[in-house]
Amino acid sequence: NAGVMQNPRHLVRRRGQEARLRCSPMKGHSHVYWYRQLPEEGLKFMVYLQKENIIDESGMPKERFSAEFPKEGPSILRIQQVVRGDSAAYFCASTAGYRKETQYFGPGTRLLVL
Amino acid sequence: EDQVTQSPEALRLQEGESSSLNCSYTVSGLRGLFWYRQDPGKGPEFLFTLYSAGEEKEKERLKATLTKKESFLHITAPKPEDSATYLCAALFNTGNQFYFGTGTSLTVIP
Repeated sequence: NAGVMQNPRHLVRRRGQEARLRCSPMKGHSHVYWYRQLPEEGLKFMVYLQKENIIDESGMPKERFSAEFPKEGPSILRIQQVVRGDSAAYFCASTAGYRKETQYFGPGTRLLVL
Repeated sequence: EDQVTQSPEALRLQEGESSSLNCSYTVSGLRGLFWYRQDPGKGPEFLFTLYSAGEEKEKERLKATLTKKESFLHITAPKPEDSATYLCAALFNTGNQFYFGTGTSLTVIP
C-alpha cells in the first residue's frame, strides 16, 4: 500500500507532555500539509512543508507547535506541553510537488489530552 | 471571514432520491476546487478537482460542476453506501493554503 501513512493512529497524553505525530507521504511525493480537525469543524490548515524546508506555517500556533520534514524519514508534527484544547484529529496530506494541487490524505492521528 | 461555505450541513435522502450539495467561495482568483469524501474515523478521500467555470467531472453516481462563485456535487440515485461527509476545498492563486468547508453530512436511507 503506497498511500499516506500516519502513526500513531491514537495518542493519549497528559497535560504538559509532548506529542509527536508522524506522517510518511505517498511514494514519489515530496510535499506535506498538516491539518487539524475538531469535532463539528472543518479541516484547518496548519503548515506546508517540503523536504528540509517550511514553505508556509501561517496556520501554526506561534507557541508549542513545530513541524519538520527531514531529508530522510517522515514528517513530524510536534506539540510541546499539550493542553486539553489540543485534543483533535490531526491529518497530513501529501502532494507530488510545489503547488501540485491534488492532496492525498492519511488516516489521521487522534490525540486525546487528559 | 469564511473562505469556503458548504450547504446544507446535513442531508437525509431516500435511496434513489437525487440531490445536490453546494460549495461557495468568497475569494476571487480560484486556482482549483476540490471535493473529498470522509467516512467516520478516516481521512478524506479525494474525489474531484475542478479548475475553471463550466468544467464538469463525473464518477459513478457523483458529478461535480463549477461556476465562478460555487461548485455543486450532484448525487444521482444515491445508495446507502454513499452516506458520508462530503468536503470541498479551495486553493487560490494568492497563497498555498487549501481552505476547507465544514462539510455536508449525507445520510442515504434504504
